[in-house]
Amino acid sequence: DGGITQSPKYLFRKEGQNVTLSCEQNLNHDAMYWYRQDPGQGLRLIYYSQIVNDFQKGDIAEGYSVSREKKESFPLTVTSAQKNPTAFYLCASSLRPGASYEQYFGPGTRLTVT
Amino acid sequence: QQPVQSPQAVILREGEDAVINCSSSKALYSVHWYRQKHGEAPVFLMILLKGGEQKGHDKISASFNEKKQQSSLYLTASQLSYSGTYFCGTEGIQGAQKLVFGQGTRLTINP
Repeated sequence: DGGITQSPKYLFRKEGQNVTLSCEQNLNHDAMYWYRQDPGQGLRLIYYSQIVNDFQKGDIAEGYSVSREKKESFPLTVTSAQKNPTAFYLCASSLRPGASYEQYFGPGTRLTVT
Repeated sequence: QQPVQSPQAVILREGEDAVINCSSSKALYSVHWYRQKHGEAPVFLMILLKGGEQKGHDKISASFNEKKQQSSLYLTASQLSYSGTYFCGTEGIQGAQKLVFGQGTRLTINP
C-alpha cells in the first residue's frame, strides 16, 4: 500500500539534544512538507521541498533543518536552537509542487522535550 | 496571512446540519478542506478553485466565494463519524507553493 510513514510515533528527548524525525513516502510524489501542530492550533509550515536536493523555509523554520537527498525521504532535524520543540510534527506530500494539489499526511510524531 | 475559521467549536446531535466558514483578508486562488481526528493525520476532503465552484460528496459539500474571499463547508445530516477538527488551507496566489491553514473548527457529534 502506498502512503507516508513517520517514525517513531512518540519521541522523548532531553533539552539541548538534536533529534531527527523520519518521513518516508512511496507515493512517488515530488513535493514534501513538514508541519508543526500545537494543541488547539492549526498547521504551521516548517519547511517544504519541491524536488530532490531543494527545499525552502516555511513560516517557522528557525531551529529546524531538513534534507532531501532522495525523492522518497524528507527527514526533519529539531536542533537545540528551537526554543519550544515539544509539539506534534506532521509530514505531508503532494504529487506535484504547488498549493493546488491535495496533500497526503503521515501519522505524525509527537515529540516531547524535557 | 492565516485564514480565520468560524465557529471555533460546535456541538451537534446526530442528524443535524453544520456550516464551517473560512475567511481570508487576501484574495484566494484555491481553498482546501481537511478533517483530523484526535491524534491522527489530517485527511483530505476537497479542493475548491476560484470561480465560485461548489463541490461535494456524500453529505459534505463546500462553496468558494472568491469575491468575499471565503469558503464554507456544509455537513448535512451529520453522522458520528463526522466528529473531528476541520481545517481550511488557502492558496493566496496562483502558483503559490504552499498552503496557509486556519486554526481549525472542532466538531463534536453526539448520539
